[in-house]
Amino acid sequence: QLQMQESGPGLVKPSETLSVTCIVSGGSINIRSHYWGWLRQPPGKGLEWIGSIYYNGDTVHNPSLTSRITMSVDTSKNQFSLRLSSVTAADTAAYHCARHEVTWHYFDNLGQGTLVIVSS
Amino acid sequence: QSALTQPASVSGSPGQSITISCTGTSGDIGNYNYVSWYQQHPGKAPQLMIYNLSKRPSGVPDRFSGSKSGNTASLTISGLRAEDEADYYCGSYSSGSILEVFGTGTKVTVL
Repeated sequence: QLQMQESGPGLVKPSETLSVTCIVSGGSINIRSHYWGWLRQPPGKGLEWIGSIYYNGDTVHNPSLTSRITMSVDTSKNQFSLRLSSVTAADTAAYHCARHEVTWHYFDNLGQGTLVIVSS
Repeated sequence: QSALTQPASVSGSPGQSITISCTGTSGDIGNYNYVSWYQQHPGKAPQLMIYNLSKRPSGVPDRFSGSKSGNTASLTISGLRAEDEADYYCGSYSSGSILEVFGTGTKVTVL
């Protein structure tokens, strides 16, 4: 059973860069059948897709966030990461990682999420 | 931002059936069957319940079913149970720039 565990800083100051990592267990990230995605959920609100990365580093992004996103994958550690720059209070959210079935456009094995608060 | 519209809340008594709607446009739900549904209990990870409009992942009870009409998709829960009380989100492919869009979310209450 695939499991996803996010980790993050908890608190980030405005204008700084948020960095979160997802460790995948129970299966290899180095597969050709899926992307690995990031979603976020502001407190009390709905889900928003941020972007997804393939095992070879190819990425797809939500265009509203493209200019501030950097994603990377480390197949040797079976993990992938997200960096979001120039954060504001609007970026306060739980950041979830998931397996992204890009061909059929759904997410499964979502992690519980790591809450990141942007505040000075 | 949420591109798909859901009712804020739906309620029903144990054993009843309820339906949650998810309204989009011809750029997403209307012309594609890439509709998914997620269940989220408080403080827990969202769980995929339906994909490709009406397919259930292994382990999801057949009480959960999906369908669509025009630009509106629906999730029906039959034989409502106390453990079904949760937030539900729809998702869809979008031919616009965003690729993957989600609904505003619906809180299901079991009376």
